Amino acid sequence: SQTIHQWPATLVQPVGSPLSLECTVEGTSNPNLYWYRQAAGRGLQLLFYSVGIGQISSEVPQNLSASRPQDRQFILSSKKLLLSDSGFYLCAWSFGTDTQYFGPGTRLTVL
Amino acid sequence: GNSVTQMEGPVTLSEEAFLTINCTYTATGYPSLFWYVQYPGEGLQLLLKATKADDKGSNKGFEATYRKETTSFHLEKGSVQVSDSAVYFCALSPTTSGTYKYIFGTGTRLKVLA
Repeated sequence: SQTIHQWPATLVQPVGSPLSLECTVEGTSNPNLYWYRQAAGRGLQLLFYSVGIGQISSEVPQNLSASRPQDRQFILSSKKLLLSDSGFYLCAWSFGTDTQYFGPGTRLTVL
Repeated sequence: GNSVTQMEGPVTLSEEAFLTINCTYTATGYPSLFWYVQYPGEGLQLLLKATKADDKGSNKGFEATYRKETTSFHLEKGSVQVSDSAVYFCALSPTTSGTYKYIFGTGTRLKVLA
């Protein structure tokens, strides 16, 4: 069966510091991968999605970036964090347009 | 364009009460429809789904029927428990070729009191 991992689970970072969040999927090949952000008490905002290695589509212009260095690895990065980057970051995977399955999330607090 | 509208929360119920969370959608073609549940501090879990009109998705006592005539996918449960307290998200997956983006509702928080 497929499993999706995210780390770290919790992160507290100062404004202006860099960021790297990692997501990996086990038990499948060539999945579509997604990064979402959920601000406190809000819905989900799609940030990036990828349909293959090195293929990244950005949904929202901002100071975040994503990379997919391996088939089942998806990384969310920033060179300089802003206060507004605080939130709950969720990674998800799917086969094509089929059901999306979510990871446990990373809680990011920028101080 | 595609959109999902959910009822505003929070919804507060007593244990064993009947639950309805309304969800309506706007989409071209025949999207797939989903309900996800998010417990505090966790990611989203798929609760149920339906892929065509008149399909009924069900899981853990929850049900939702894909109604194309009313463009709705309301979530129901006959008798809620305290453990059902969570945020529930309605979502659709467009059928447009090459579109991978789910459209999520804003979520409805459910609180069940003992």
